[in-house]
Amino acid sequence: AQKVTQAQTEISVVEKEDVTLDCVYETRDTTYYLFWYKQPPSGELVFLIRRNSFDEQNEISGRYSWNFQKSTSSFNFTITASQVVDSAVYFCALSEEVKTSYDKVIFGPGTSLSVIP
Amino acid sequence: EAQVTQNPRYLITVTGKKLTVTCSQNMNHEYMSWYRQDPGLGLRQIYYSMNVEVTDKGDVPEGYKVSRKEKRNFPLILESPSPNQTSLYFCASSVRQGRGETQYFGPGTRLLVL
Repeated sequence: AQKVTQAQTEISVVEKEDVTLDCVYETRDTTYYLFWYKQPPSGELVFLIRRNSFDEQNEISGRYSWNFQKSTSSFNFTITASQVVDSAVYFCALSEEVKTSYDKVIFGPGTSLSVIP
Repeated sequence: EAQVTQNPRYLITVTGKKLTVTCSQNMNHEYMSWYRQDPGLGLRQIYYSMNVEVTDKGDVPEGYKVSRKEKRNFPLILESPSPNQTSLYFCASSVRQGRGETQYFGPGTRLLVL
């Protein structure tokens, strides 16, 4: 069975600090997809990234970076030089490729990040 | 402008009164999905669709129906709503292209079942 754990329930950092959000997943599949989403206080959901299980290359997008390590089943998300606008709940998610390249998605419980000015 | 629209945005209804929440996307995406979000239970997938006439159950499909007759629309149907379906519902559409993916969410529908 698939499972996503985000052990950090809440994190507070001071603006301009770097912060890493942890995500650990469990799956028996060899082909799977990992995702990160952002939900700001306004409530909308924003897709950030998808990573395939066969692609362990790290990804950087501006101040955001993601570190995928199959050996530890982790897909951590780092925000560099955090800003107040980064305050949000961040969800990690997992989708196993069972029937097609799209399959059902399960989410972690989320990490609430507060960036204090 | 690329967008996913949901209607209604807010709905109060009574137990047993059938309702439909519409979802429409203008990006010609093949994949669409419905999620619900509840305090303490987080985000859970209800149903998803890989293309027209192709749908499958997510984690919590009980009490819901979907249809995908056209690529752009993916309505969520509650045949006989119950109070435990009070929730915040999100529709999403996406397309996967190589290593990348584009994914959009609707603004959410807040449903209260009395």
